[in-house]
Amino acid sequence: EAQVTQNPRYLITVTGKKLTVTCSQNMNHEYMSWYRQDPGLGLRQIYYSMNVEVTDKGDVPEGYKVSRKEKRNFPLILESPSPNQTSLYFCASSLSASGSEQYFGPGTRLTVT
Amino acid sequence: KNEVEQSPQNLTAQEGEFITINCSYSVGISALHWLQQHPGGGIVSLFMLSSGKKKHGRLIATINIQEKHSSLHITASHPRDSAVYICAVARGSNYKLTFGKGTLLTVNP
Repeated sequence: EAQVTQNPRYLITVTGKKLTVTCSQNMNHEYMSWYRQDPGLGLRQIYYSMNVEVTDKGDVPEGYKVSRKEKRNFPLILESPSPNQTSLYFCASSLSASGSEQYFGPGTRLTVT
Repeated sequence: KNEVEQSPQNLTAQEGEFITINCSYSVGISALHWLQQHPGGGIVSLFMLSSGKKKHGRLIATINIQEKHSSLHITASHPRDSAVYICAVARGSNYKLTFGKGTLLTVNP
């Protein structure tokens, strides 16, 4: 089954404790992206990747890191999480960067205390 | 001013009604997406448009590039259509996405 998976789905952590949210797709998609969704602000793009070893900042990259060492995986790293990073995070992928349907993961609800 | 504006923010309809949700944007785009998010969070892509009109079942999406405006129509609405509908625009060749804040649609039986 074609899908985007994220792990963990739910995470409660404390300020400053490094964490990684994994994202994997099995559709051989070139383009992958991370978004956060907050009440009243909607979805905002954090980072995106147009292919292996090619990543770029979205609108809200501060406090996040990403890497794209393999085509299928695009982990989101929070080196020192803070409470303002409490949010619902979505990973998505699409066939190419030139414009195609986006497939979203199920979301990761992160709480930083 | 947001780059992507949706209207209305909230919409309540009776089953069977024709629904229109609007999206206006202020930047040059390479494509526009309509997404659906049901309570519980999952996001599904409904349409991707760069021109004209697309239809899928009871859903129709149109875009007018000159006027920087897109509409999502739902014909013969049903309670299962209740969801948040989100417009997103792709800017430039790097496909950076900017989202509207969404329209909460409630369809009552």
